[in-house]
Amino acid sequence: AQTVTQSQPEMSVQEAETVTLSCTYDTSESDYYLFWYKQPPSRQMILVIRQEAYKQQNATENRFSVNFQKAAKSFSLKISDSQLGDAAMYFCAYKSGGSNYKLTFGKGTLLTVNP
Amino acid sequence: EAQVTQNPRYLITVTGKKLTVTCSQNMNHEYMSWYRQDPGLGLRQIYYSMNVEVTDKGDVPEGYKVSRKEKRNFPLILESPSPNQTSLYFCASSPRWAGGGGYTFGSGTRLTVV
Repeated sequence: AQTVTQSQPEMSVQEAETVTLSCTYDTSESDYYLFWYKQPPSRQMILVIRQEAYKQQNATENRFSVNFQKAAKSFSLKISDSQLGDAAMYFCAYKSGGSNYKLTFGKGTLLTVNP
Repeated sequence: EAQVTQNPRYLITVTGKKLTVTCSQNMNHEYMSWYRQDPGLGLRQIYYSMNVEVTDKGDVPEGYKVSRKEKRNFPLILESPSPNQTSLYFCASSPRWAGGGGYTFGSGTRLTVV
């Protein structure tokens, strides 16, 4: 079974600075997808960014980018120019590439942004 | 608006009193799933459904039931709730051929069992 590990229960960053959230995963599959979800105090699950395992290029969405290291099974999220609205719980998640639609989540990292 | 609607948003109940949390999606998605979120544990899958009348257990199915009589609805049933089922619950849906995306989550149901 696949597992997802987020080793940082909490992180903090100063507004306008850069922060990196870590995620590692364990799988024997070659075809899969990785996601970062943001959960603000409203509880809504918001997709931040996703990465297809077969793509070598790291995904980027505005201020959010990932460092995908397939051999190391690492998938970190970098948030540049941090804003107060980035404060939230962040979850890393894994999905197999086949017909299994299950998302396997890490335990989450609570990000605080200091003004 | 494309969405997954969960009700209620908050629920406090007593041990043993049967309850149902409803989930409805308006996107004609085949796949629907329930997760529970607990502090320090992330989200864990309870049950999922690949289509009407097709349901299967996830990682933590004990104490829960589901049904999928219509494509749009996927209720979560707790026939005899216990305090260890106090949690935040999410329903999610996805089209069958979503590949690496397409998940839509509901707004969550905060359940407290006393």
